[in-house]
Amino acid sequence: NAGVTQTPKFQVLKTGQSMTLQCAQDMNHEYMSWYRQDPGMGLRLIHYSVGAGITDQGEVPNGYNVSRSTTEDFPLRLLSAAPSQTSVYFCASQDRAYGYTFGSGTRLTVV
Amino acid sequence: AQSVTQLDSQVPVFEEAPVELRCNYSSSVSVYLFWYVQYPNQGLQLLLKYLSGSTLVESINGFEAEFNKSQTSFHLRKPSVHISDTAEYFCAVSEPRTDKLIFGTGTRLQVFP
Repeated sequence: NAGVTQTPKFQVLKTGQSMTLQCAQDMNHEYMSWYRQDPGMGLRLIHYSVGAGITDQGEVPNGYNVSRSTTEDFPLRLLSAAPSQTSVYFCASQDRAYGYTFGSGTRLTVV
Repeated sequence: AQSVTQLDSQVPVFEEAPVELRCNYSSSVSVYLFWYVQYPNQGLQLLLKYLSGSTLVESINGFEAEFNKSQTSFHLRKPSVHISDTAEYFCAVSEPRTDKLIFGTGTRLQVFP
């Protein structure tokens, strides 16, 4: 049982490039979400999904897109990377009885 | 809207001393409360949670937290810390209706020998 798998673990982008951060879970959870972690700011919610085909914005959605075509996958797309998007990104899925399970994170640097 | 305040960004403490990490939340409805721990260069792990029932919840490694509805607090305590407790601790709140999990800014616990 892998839990929540995020790829890649590290990524360097040039300003203006696009990329997709992958997130997959094998726990059949309906609820998934993306956070970014920045020093002194904790984790801030970017986007979340309550099930396949349903997504919504969190606290800091600008510059990011998501889709949820299957229960297992919840990719995060950066359309045109900016230095302000340098951060550590965490994907999570939730079971109401247990709580949230987090992936190991993706460290993104935009130069 | 929900919000979480962790008043202390850093808490230095000597080994075997007691510690309290403070967390206050704001919400107009019933909430679920969580503490997560993040060890250096790792992801987040659930430390303990309050969903309902007893207001005092405990973790397997000696931490406890008490839900205080009147004070809107969920402070984390440990009577005697170890070097291995050095980590960042995040308090988080979610509303049963929305399932969104909102985090505080974190408290870095540094345990010195």
